[in-house]
Amino acid sequence: DTGVSQDPRHKITKRGQNVTFRCDPISEHNRLYWYRQTLGQGPEFLTYFQNEAQLEKSRLLSDRFSAERPKGSFSTLEIQRTEQGDSAMYLCASSLSPHITGGAETQYFGPGTRLLVL
Amino acid sequence: EDKVVQSPLSLVVHEGDTVTLNCSYEVTNFRSLLWYKQEKKAPTFLFMLTSSGIEKKSGRLSSILDKKELFSILNITATQTGDSAVYLCAGVNYGGSQGNLIFGKGTKLSVKP
Repeated sequence: DTGVSQDPRHKITKRGQNVTFRCDPISEHNRLYWYRQTLGQGPEFLTYFQNEAQLEKSRLLSDRFSAERPKGSFSTLEIQRTEQGDSAMYLCASSLSPHITGGAETQYFGPGTRLLVL
Repeated sequence: EDKVVQSPLSLVVHEGDTVTLNCSYEVTNFRSLLWYKQEKKAPTFLFMLTSSGIEKKSGRLSSILDKKELFSILNITATQTGDSAVYLCAGVNYGGSQGNLIFGKGTKLSVKP
């Protein structure tokens, strides 16, 4: 399967613990996005990378959140000192930048990691 | 602030009915609008609309964008129970070289047999 993959699919943790999620994008895609989705809402943008550079971060991304994409391939999203409000589905998406496609951009989503903070 | 508003928020129909889902947007540096179908997992891509007035079709689904009035519609004809899902609309904000999606809350469609 050459789609976007995420690991783990589910994570239950206690408040105050740190968690780390991984995303493997479609191999030729140079852009990678992280979103958060809570029940009944559409996904909310968190951050995005073009290759290994983190180009934008949402104000939703507090200091407890950090994301990396060290080699421009897979990415990790870490949440430190988790809070109950962090419980959500964390979605990763990848795309080719329009500079490469010559047109508009389409993002393809992974299956998500569902986080429950007790 | 960018926003995307979808209506209705939920819809219940019977198999065979035709439905129209609405999406209005206010997105700075707007370039394209995407429709996704989300079941109990991540969204799956349906359509990307960049040009106004050009209908895109895929089987029983079709969609069109009106850049003057800042809205899009998604039509589903002859609905089936497998069409039951949340349909998400997202505007693409192309600030500078960046691009991120501004999602609406979605329309939850339930198709009864």
